[in-house]
Amino acid sequence: SAVISQKPSRDICQRGTSLTIQCQVDSQVTMMFWYRQQPGQSLTLIATANQGSEATYESGFVIDKFPISRPNLTFSTLTVSNMSPEDSSIYLCSVEDFRGGSYEQYFGPGTRLTVT
Amino acid sequence: DAKTTQPTSMDCAEGRAANLPCNHSTISGNEYVYWYRQIHSQGPQYIIHGLKNNETNEMASLIITEDRKSSTLILPHATLRDTAVYYCIVSYFVFGPGTRLSVLP
Repeated sequence: SAVISQKPSRDICQRGTSLTIQCQVDSQVTMMFWYRQQPGQSLTLIATANQGSEATYESGFVIDKFPISRPNLTFSTLTVSNMSPEDSSIYLCSVEDFRGGSYEQYFGPGTRLTVT
Repeated sequence: DAKTTQPTSMDCAEGRAANLPCNHSTISGNEYVYWYRQIHSQGPQYIIHGLKNNETNEMASLIITEDRKSSTLILPHATLRDTAVYYCIVSYFVFGPGTRLSVLP
């Protein structure tokens, strides 16, 4: 299975600032995904990031607030811009691995963000 | 729209089998059933998936009904480390609230 790392693992940020989260995979993958998990809630997909094209955002998420980069097949970044306390969440990077005729999805350890 | 319904919580005695049900009555013919679990403060962990046949791996077994409208994840000998939130998903990338499984000593 793909091994995924994220940086930072956690951060405390002031409102109005921005934080960029990095996601590194140990193998080349076509599709990478960013999720948000608010306190006590399930996971919500923010966007899908394909290398060489703009990210595709889910309803309720916009590029100005969550710009994403995908410069190559092993790396992606998510920026949380102009943060407010409502952005306090765990942000998770995920990849899709095609094996045995179907897809499996693997997740990074997450970045725990607290906005004060 | 999660497309799945699961019990909010379940308890299981350590060493016994944990059977976690999932209803997915609107599943499409080409949609797989995936199970993940999330141990507190960690990223979700892939467990198993299947299309229509029962599946087994080193972690669990997946039993899918013949009409594919429901499935059961079986942890054959639950341990305390299996305490987690278990997610059943069929609509790709869409997670519902999951089942919080507590394995009790």
